[in-house]
This record gives sequence, C-alpha cells and structure tokens, in this order.
Amino acid sequence: EAGVAQSPRYKIIEKRQSVAFWCNPISGHATLYWYQQILGQGPKLLIQFQNNGVVDDSQLPKDRFSAERLKGVDSTLKIQPAKLEDSAVYLCASSRDLYNEQFFGPGTRLTVL
Amino acid sequence: AQSVTQLDSHVSVSEGTPVLLRCNYSSSYSPSLFWYVQHPNKGLQLLLKYTSAATLVKGINGFEAEFKKSETSFHLTKPSAHMSDAAEYFCVVTFSSNTGKLIFGQGTTLQVKP
Repeated sequence: EAGVAQSPRYKIIEKRQSVAFWCNPISGHATLYWYQQILGQGPKLLIQFQNNGVVDDSQLPKDRFSAERLKGVDSTLKIQPAKLEDSAVYLCASSRDLYNEQFFGPGTRLTVL
Repeated sequence: AQSVTQLDSHVSVSEGTPVLLRCNYSSSYSPSLFWYVQHPNKGLQLLLKYTSAATLVKGINGFEAEFKKSETSFHLTKPSAHMSDAAEYFCVVTFSSNTGKLIFGQGTTLQVKP
C-alpha cells in the first residue's frame, strides 16, 4: 500500500511571499491532518479534516494559513503571506477514520528568508 | 490541561546497553499513549501504542513501554541499543474526548555510540 505523499519536499521563499503544499493521503483514509513541526519541537496540529469537512482548526493561524480538501481526498495547505516564524516542516498524516492510527508523510521543509 | 512532557531532550547510550526514554502526561481523561520515532529526513513511524489494555506494551524493533497510572508515566525502554536506533523519539497522547487529535512531547534525541 502506498504511503502518504507530500510535495514539494523542500521550499525556500522570501517573507511576504505565498506558498502551497500538497498532500495525497493513503487511499481510503477518511481523516487527514496537517501538522507544523518547528525545529527542536514536536509536531503541532494545524487542521484536521474528516472527508471534506473540518473537524479541528483551532490552532490554524487563519489570517495567513488556509487549507482545503475539496473532494475528500487530496489536500492543500497555503500560507499567504509567509513570515520568518513559519519556517518549519509541514507534515501531512492520514488515518482510516477518527481515533485510528495516523500514518505520516515525509514532510515539506519550508525555509522563509 | 492535557499535555505530555519528555523529561530528557537528549539521551546518549553505548551500543548494546539499555535505553530509557522518559515521558509523563497530564490529563483529566483516560489517555491513549504512543511513542513515535523520526529518523532524519524520514516520516514519523509508530513504535507502539497503549489504549487501556495491557499496561506493558511491546512495539517494533524490541522497544516496549509501561503505562503507570499512579505515576502518570509511559517510559520507553529497550534492553540493548543498536546503532540504527539513533533518532528522535516522541511521546504522544490523545484523549477520547478530542477527536483523535495527537498531542506531541518536545522529543528526545537518542544518540548511540559504538
């Protein structure tokens, strides 16, 4: 079974620019998660989808971050405009349903200069 | 508040010696607890999980952890470290009340010396 796919793997941008990340979950997984992992810290949940609905986005900085999962499969996470403190690894995970084991993708490493 | 604390940011052991990575949690609810491992430039991988069955949980690669409710702890152990165990380890907690949301500790870097 193919794992969670993410692209790009690395991205370098200037502050105030925009950036988008893409995630393709494991086939058949209803729940999709985006995490932010700042260097030296554990991942922090940004947003959680159940199919194409948002379950939890309480820690998403909504003034600059947005995410969608329009058809309940792939998802994109966007930052507009980026700040220096957004430099981090953005991890996507999926699970068969709520409370099931989460499988993580390799992440996208974002550097904001 | 629901939280998880990893007591050591860095642990160094010699190959062939025991590994102990410490984790404490804080919760008003019955938790599910996990240990994840993250190798450089690789995704997070589940090592083991506790979900209110047996308190001693066995995972992959010879790792195990014991849930101690009285101490609110879930320490990770391995009898004999291997060079390939060098990685970042995360203690993670979730609660039945929070839709499966994972709360990660700060991580412990395990160094294995030859």
